[in-house]
Amino acid sequence: GAVVSQHPSWVICKSGTSVKIECRSLDFQATTMFWYRQFPKQSLMLMATSNEGSKATYEQGVEKDKFLINHASLTLSTLTVTSAHPEDSSFYICSAPGQGGREQYFGPGTRLTVT
Amino acid sequence: DQQVKQNSPSLSVQEGRISILNCDYTNSMFDYFLWYKKYPAEGPTFLISISSIKDKNEDGRFTVFLNKSAKHLSLHIVPSQPGDSAVYFCAASVTGGTSYGKLTFGQGTILTVHP
Repeated sequence: GAVVSQHPSWVICKSGTSVKIECRSLDFQATTMFWYRQFPKQSLMLMATSNEGSKATYEQGVEKDKFLINHASLTLSTLTVTSAHPEDSSFYICSAPGQGGREQYFGPGTRLTVT
Repeated sequence: DQQVKQNSPSLSVQEGRISILNCDYTNSMFDYFLWYKKYPAEGPTFLISISSIKDKNEDGRFTVFLNKSAKHLSLHIVPSQPGDSAVYFCAASVTGGTSYGKLTFGQGTILTVHP
């Protein structure tokens, strides 16, 4: 089956710093990847769609200047949380569509804690 | 505006019995539905899906039923096993157009299967 990895799996950073999270499709190519965040005991909320070779598209209410997305290749998308604040602390998960585009395969997630 | 709802936050079932997880949606444009299983601090794992042109899809112990007129779907797990204990998310998508690949998730239902 399709495998998606994320790195790091957890990160702690200080307020005001930036953090980069990587999402890789290991055994398939993905022209599109998706970034979600999940707060404790809540649903997964789509943040943005990462498009290889073009700009990401952001969901309503998501600050594009704060959550920078770069889809540098067909197997790698990165999410950079800039000038992080404690309220950015969350579980960030990426996904990529499988063959046929209907099922999404998710990475293991990254736990971000901003102190 | 919660377009996908899982109204039961938790469900407790005895091993060997049937688990029934329910999901309702409001957006009539949704035409593809998925169920994911998730453990804490991990990404969701795809379980089973169903297209809106069907009313049932079965895969081993898992069966998903779709009632389009009621905008309701359910996941049946039989027989339930202790290893099935996890959070189950219902998700929906519109296949095609600018919404390609985007998933809208329900809030999740915590399933506990007792030995």
